[in-house]
Amino acid sequence: DGGITQSPKYLFRKEGQNVTLSCEQNLNHDAMYWYRQDPGQGLRLIYYSQIVNDFQKGDIAEGYSVSREKKESFPLTVTSAQKNPTAFYLCASSTLGQGEETQYFGPGTRLLVL
Amino acid sequence: DQQVKQNSPSLSVQEGRISILNCDYTNSMFDYFLWYKKYPAEGPTFLISISSIKDKNEDGRFTVFLNKSAKHLSLHIVPSQPGDSAVYFCAASSYSGGSNYKLTFGKGTLLTVNP
Repeated sequence: DGGITQSPKYLFRKEGQNVTLSCEQNLNHDAMYWYRQDPGQGLRLIYYSQIVNDFQKGDIAEGYSVSREKKESFPLTVTSAQKNPTAFYLCASSTLGQGEETQYFGPGTRLLVL
Repeated sequence: DQQVKQNSPSLSVQEGRISILNCDYTNSMFDYFLWYKKYPAEGPTFLISISSIKDKNEDGRFTVFLNKSAKHLSLHIVPSQPGDSAVYFCAASSYSGGSNYKLTFGKGTLLTVNP
């Protein structure tokens, strides 16, 4: 059945370490997004991609990197430059159109710093 | 500067009664609005949406009202059920250049429906 998968569910990062969060979708959606949620906060956009091999920075891109080599996959790397990485990370995807597209979310990955 | 505001962090209602969740926005370029429901440690699930050309959209127990002049929308849940207890996020879509649209989220309202 179609959907968005994120792995792992929990991820631990040591100081100075880069970690990569996986996001895969089989909905045939062109657009994919990464958000970060902190306690008591809304979702903030990190990066998004509307086509393979192209992506744009969102509102809080510093300390993160992404790639979009396949339509189905949009991995997010949390680099050592991200000084406050502990958060719940959510991946989403949508079709492309005239602005009335619904974004559908994966189950999320919780990143914790050791 | 918060462009989408959900001013009530929490709301508690009795089972069977109406739940009304509110959302205000400041950007007049927003033209599509969505409500998401989120349980702890899970991704948000889409609930209902409304285009800026409408003032009401209904889907079963859920109705969203949009008042463009007041830059205000609300989600009504009737009747409320204990399973509706979750955090509800309001989101608004705006054009960001090229073929890009982005969502801006409010901070959410925790709804608790008491049996």
